[in-house]
Amino acid sequence: DQQVKQNSPSLSVQEGRISILNCDYTNSMFDYFLWYKKYPAEGPTFLISISSIKDKNEDGRFTVFLNKSAKHLSLHIVPSQPGDSAVYFCAASADRSGATNKLIFGTGTLLAVQP
Amino acid sequence: NAGVTQTPKFRILKIGQSMTLQCTQDMNHNYMYWYRQDPGMGLKLIYYSVGAGITDKGEVPNGYNVSRSTTEDFPLRLELAAPSQTSVYFCASSYPHTQNTEAFFGQGTRLTVV
Repeated sequence: DQQVKQNSPSLSVQEGRISILNCDYTNSMFDYFLWYKKYPAEGPTFLISISSIKDKNEDGRFTVFLNKSAKHLSLHIVPSQPGDSAVYFCAASADRSGATNKLIFGTGTLLAVQP
Repeated sequence: NAGVTQTPKFRILKIGQSMTLQCTQDMNHNYMYWYRQDPGMGLKLIYYSVGAGITDKGEVPNGYNVSRSTTEDFPLRLELAAPSQTSVYFCASSYPHTQNTEAFFGQGTRLTVV
């Protein structure tokens, strides 16, 4: 039962253009969403997050959009740079009591930014 | 500030052998986690802990054990290694969810069971 889905295993974009990575979730209890970036042979590193009380969060070139009714979020990278080439994981957390903080991850999308 | 440190980085085990993957963090995080990443499968939660002395199962706990005797350390134990446990293992730590903070990951341990 894949609660967080990233249906595109890979994406190729030209340098300077916009990269849009998508993520869908099934659990309506999820209330916090994150994007992680992973380079080969390294651990994932945090990129940007969004709480369910918002529909947009922006940090420099990175913007995350959340559509709760569609259970969908997306990560926009503008402009894309070759150094952005990595695997991007969407993650979600469902806890309203603060007792636990289990992050459920998607399968990842490999982004390749072509110079 | 070292963050989350995992040892070893690589290991080859024979079927039936046992080993402990070490994880330590120096950020005084309450929460710690173990994930495994199989090719094309994302990260699956094995076990997690919300504080010293408290552990709980994640999505794929079978074949593993954990303990949390201190805030800093969260070792993962494989008792009878099986080929299905060939994977890359990541340890992570974070503050409680209510602070809406991200989890920090270690560099990973690549385990091969032959």
